Amino acid sequence: AQSVTQLDSHVSVSEGTPVLLRCNYSSSYSPSLFWYVQHPNKGLQLLLKYTSAATLVKGINGFEAEFKKSETSFHLTKPSAHMSDAAEYFCVVTPPGSQGNLIFGKGTKLSVKP
Amino acid sequence: GAVVSQHPSRVICKSGTSVKIECRSLDFQATTMFWYRQFPKQSLMLMATSNEGSKATYEQGVEKDKFLINHASLTLSTLTVTSAHPEDSSFYICSARLAGAPGETQYFGPGTRLLVL
Repeated sequence: AQSVTQLDSHVSVSEGTPVLLRCNYSSSYSPSLFWYVQHPNKGLQLLLKYTSAATLVKGINGFEAEFKKSETSFHLTKPSAHMSDAAEYFCVVTPPGSQGNLIFGKGTKLSVKP
Repeated sequence: GAVVSQHPSRVICKSGTSVKIECRSLDFQATTMFWYRQFPKQSLMLMATSNEGSKATYEQGVEKDKFLINHASLTLSTLTVTSAHPEDSSFYICSARLAGAPGETQYFGPGTRLLVL
């Protein structure tokens, strides 16, 4: 069965410092992996996705994630945090060939201090 | 592009009444729409998968007679919470999958917050 584990429920960084949000997945097959962001009172927005092409995936707003099969990880990073990055981030997996059922991690709340 | 709307954004109702939530794909056709439920400070849980013109597929533990889903067109799916009770209070989010899009990309609506008194 597929699952994702977000290792940190809350991450706090200072503006201008790097961001690292950790995600490990469990999958019997090569999964599709996504990162979504949810700002308060707004819908989920797709940041980036991995679908077995390049292992380093670049997304919107300067975020990127690297798929590491040996570590079963898909950590999200950004070199320099901005105040507007404060939000809830979800790591998501979907089994290949499915109808698109998304399996969400529990989420990581990112706080950015001035 | 790929915008999904939900209506209403917030609803308060009395216990025992029914509430209908609409999910629309505004600028694309969606053969498949999904309904999720999110409890405070928790992740999204898939409730059901809705395919245009056919019956919805419900996840284990979701009562199909309580959460009625209709996907009558390629741009509209509705979720009706029947005989709502306070424990149904939650944040309901829909998503739509672009017909023919690779990588199972889903586009999410802004959510509907339901409060049952």
